[in-house]
Amino acid sequence: DAGITQSPRHKVTETGTPVTLRCHQTENHRYMYWYRQDPGHGLRLIHYSYGVKDTDKGEVSDGYSVSRSKTEDFLLTLESATSSQTSVYFCAISESGGLRYFGAGTRLSVL
Amino acid sequence: DAKTTQPPSMDCAEGRAANLPCNHSTISGNEYVYWYRQIHSQGPQYIIHGLKNNETNEMASLIITEDRKSSTLILPHATLRDTAVYYCIVRVDNTGNQFYFGTGTSLTVIP
Repeated sequence: DAGITQSPRHKVTETGTPVTLRCHQTENHRYMYWYRQDPGHGLRLIHYSYGVKDTDKGEVSDGYSVSRSKTEDFLLTLESATSSQTSVYFCAISESGGLRYFGAGTRLSVL
Repeated sequence: DAKTTQPPSMDCAEGRAANLPCNHSTISGNEYVYWYRQIHSQGPQYIIHGLKNNETNEMASLIITEDRKSSTLILPHATLRDTAVYYCIVRVDNTGNQFYFGTGTSLTVIP
């Protein structure tokens, strides 16, 4: 399996609390992505990174921020979690060309 | 951005070829067609990609029409483990390396 790890794998939190999800890779790939997946919507891109400190927004970026201070880590932060952010979050990495590897996902419940 | 259209669901008998269609009529000349699949609750998995020539790997074959407006993913001998949601994506590559997923085709392989 590709070296991509998401943590935590499961989290339950309350509305209004900050939450940070971590994606860690050992492949030294340049690009990293955060997606969310909800019933009826498939996978939707939240943010992506094309290098250390280089990030950009995806189609559903409102309410989320990201940081990438080193190649191997890409953090997704919900500054003040809302119930609409209850979802499964996937991290993905690529060097060039297509998305090659996805993480196992983080299941987040905001109560 | 080029969009894709896939049937929401398909069935296939075990051992038979599964042919999954994808329409991408607005694809532009430098855009690739990528296929991924997602087995229940797991992270998506890369299958294959192509530009205009047909491609084959150990998992599947990709047939792209001459006008590039549609493509077909072929699983030559479907097994029960191929039951998954299959996503066809046309690569958007302007300022980044963004990939947008639709809702895909849910393939059920029937014993």
